[in-house]
Amino acid sequence: EVVMTQSPATLSVSPGERATLSCRASQSISTNLAWYQQKPGQAPRLLIYGASRRATGIPARFSGSGSGTEFTLTITTLQSADFAVYYCQQYNDWPPYTFGQGTKLDMK
Amino acid sequence: QVRLQESGPGLVKPSETLSVTCSVSGGSITSGFWWSWVRQAPGRRLEWIGEIHLTGTTNYNPSLESRLTISLDKSRNQFSLSLVSVTAADTAVYHCVSARVAAAGTLDFWGRGTLVTVSS
Repeated sequence: EVVMTQSPATLSVSPGERATLSCRASQSISTNLAWYQQKPGQAPRLLIYGASRRATGIPARFSGSGSGTEFTLTITTLQSADFAVYYCQQYNDWPPYTFGQGTKLDMK
Repeated sequence: QVRLQESGPGLVKPSETLSVTCSVSGGSITSGFWWSWVRQAPGRRLEWIGEIHLTGTTNYNPSLESRLTISLDKSRNQFSLSLVSVTAADTAVYHCVSARVAAAGTLDFWGRGTLVTVSS
């Protein structure tokens, strides 16, 4: 099973600034990686797939990069709506699909 | 875009069977091909449970496969999961998901989830 590790666990950033979240896979997963956003009491939302492709309706301030074992989600010009928990998920080696433990993006 | 709503028992006793149903609205369940379940136990990461295709083909998480059944009812626009012999470790919020829309392996549209607690 591919183990996904996210860092940091919590990231405190001010509105208007940039946030950079990291995700590492225990083995190469090519670019078969997705990012999700989850707010309290809400359903997770697909943001990025294929490591760098934005899902339908996702603003351009969200971008993903990486391949192999190292991946990054960058959110530029943070808005209040962006403060949430973010998860990465691999779909290269399955079953099962596996997730990272999440990064909580806090308002500074 | 379809909307997904989970319904479950809330509380299940240890050793019994946990059953959760997902109702699909705003479109036909046949508008998608793959339908998945994901759960999140308190304080733990998201865990993919399994998926079902419109043809009835299923893929399960190996860690749950021996206890798990996922089924689909096109006439009711619903799909369901059944997990037997539950323990406290199965306590979680269970989400249903429309899957593999953007790409193979993506979990595209989620329900808010339903909390199922396993306790006597």
